[in-house]
Amino acid sequence: DQQVKQNSPSLSVQEGRISILNCDYTNSMFDYFLWYKKYPAEGPTFLISISSIKDKNEDGRFTVFLNKSAKHLSLHIVPSQPGDSAVYFCAASAGTGANNLFFGTGTRLTVIP
Amino acid sequence: DTGVSQDPRHKITKRGQNVTFRCDPISEHNRLYWYRQTLGQGPEFLTYFQNEAQLEKSRLLSDRFSAERPKGSFSTLEIQRTEQGDSAMYLCASSLAGGRRGSGNTIYFGEGSWLTVV
Repeated sequence: DQQVKQNSPSLSVQEGRISILNCDYTNSMFDYFLWYKKYPAEGPTFLISISSIKDKNEDGRFTVFLNKSAKHLSLHIVPSQPGDSAVYFCAASAGTGANNLFFGTGTRLTVIP
Repeated sequence: DTGVSQDPRHKITKRGQNVTFRCDPISEHNRLYWYRQTLGQGPEFLTYFQNEAQLEKSRLLSDRFSAERPKGSFSTLEIQRTEQGDSAMYLCASSLAGGRRGSGNTIYFGEGSWLTVV
């Protein structure tokens, strides 16, 4: 049972435009959400996170939005750069002391120069 | 480099052989995790340690898998009698548990150890 879902396996965006990656979850106990970026043959790299007490968190070109009622979050990258091309994973956990993360299946972002 | 390090990065082994992976977490982190990732999937939780205690094991962790963290620092993951279905990337991660309320638990991953069973 996939508790975290990324329904778009791939996304292509022109350099300089906005990239929007989406994620849905089913477990209402999730209260902490993270985005990871992964290059081939490397481990996931932490990008940005958001707690359920917020609806937006911004870090440079990256912004994560959380809609708790819809159980939906999104990652906005603006402006997109070719170096952003990677697989992006959404992850969620329940509780501050959560012992593990539940990951989506990833979205491959390609930024076209 | 003060990140999570894993060794070896790549391992090719024959079916039936045993393999062992090592992980050195970020030094001040008290939690250490093992995940597994196969193509087209996100990382899947296997087990985690808080200091030297192994506190949870996923049902994905069969009897052929064993993990240790003897001194609460580095960890090893051993797979006995490997099968072709064990071929995957094995990811180690660490975190500092006990953050303030609402801070969540950010887990930092190593670069992974690729296992190919032939």
